[in-house]
Amino acid sequence: EAGVVQSPRYKIIEKKQPVAFWCNPISGHNTLYWYRQNLGQGPELLIRYENEEAVDDSQLPKDRFSAERLKGVDSTLKIQPAELGDSAVYLCASSPRGGGGETQYFGPGTRLLVL
Amino acid sequence: LAKTTQPISMDSYEGQEVNITCSHNNIATNDYITWYQQFPSQGPRFIIQGYKTKVTNEVASLFIPADRKSSTLSLPRVSLSDTAVYYCLVGGLRSSASKIIFGSGTRLSIRP
Repeated sequence: EAGVVQSPRYKIIEKKQPVAFWCNPISGHNTLYWYRQNLGQGPELLIRYENEEAVDDSQLPKDRFSAERLKGVDSTLKIQPAELGDSAVYLCASSPRGGGGETQYFGPGTRLLVL
Repeated sequence: LAKTTQPISMDSYEGQEVNITCSHNNIATNDYITWYQQFPSQGPRFIIQGYKTKVTNEVASLFIPADRKSSTLSLPRVSLSDTAVYYCLVGGLRSSASKIIFGSGTRLSIRP
């Protein structure tokens, strides 16, 4: 069974530029999560989808971050414009149903460096 | 917020049993306790999950006292490959984003 796929693995951009991350969850997993992980810290949940609906985006900085999950499968997380403080690893995870009680399967992450 | 507290780091030796304790005083009735392992440049990986008492699988055991305000991850006979960061996560089905908090984790270092 293929795991969660993320691309790109690494991205270097200059501040004020836009950037997008793509995630393909495990087949059949209805719930998809986007996390941000800063160096030396645990993952911080940004948004959770159940199918194509964003059921919880309370932690997403909406002034510059946006996300979509068209057709309830793949998802894209976008930052526009990027700031220096956005440098982090962006992790995507999926689970069969959702919620904190469900096992989450993580992708390898996209490491973003904003110069 | 369902905040968890873990030791920042722990050291041990190959072949020893390692116990990592997580405090979660504000755990809710419908919250589960899940532990994840993370290696550098990888996403976290599920280790074990429990609700109460004891759970055991092929890699670890999870001990949860009756009041559920803490939990202990037990790794039997660790090896060098167990060197990683371990996260305790508390949450229930349909937990809001503000409740799914990984915390800073415990950095476990295993020596030969």
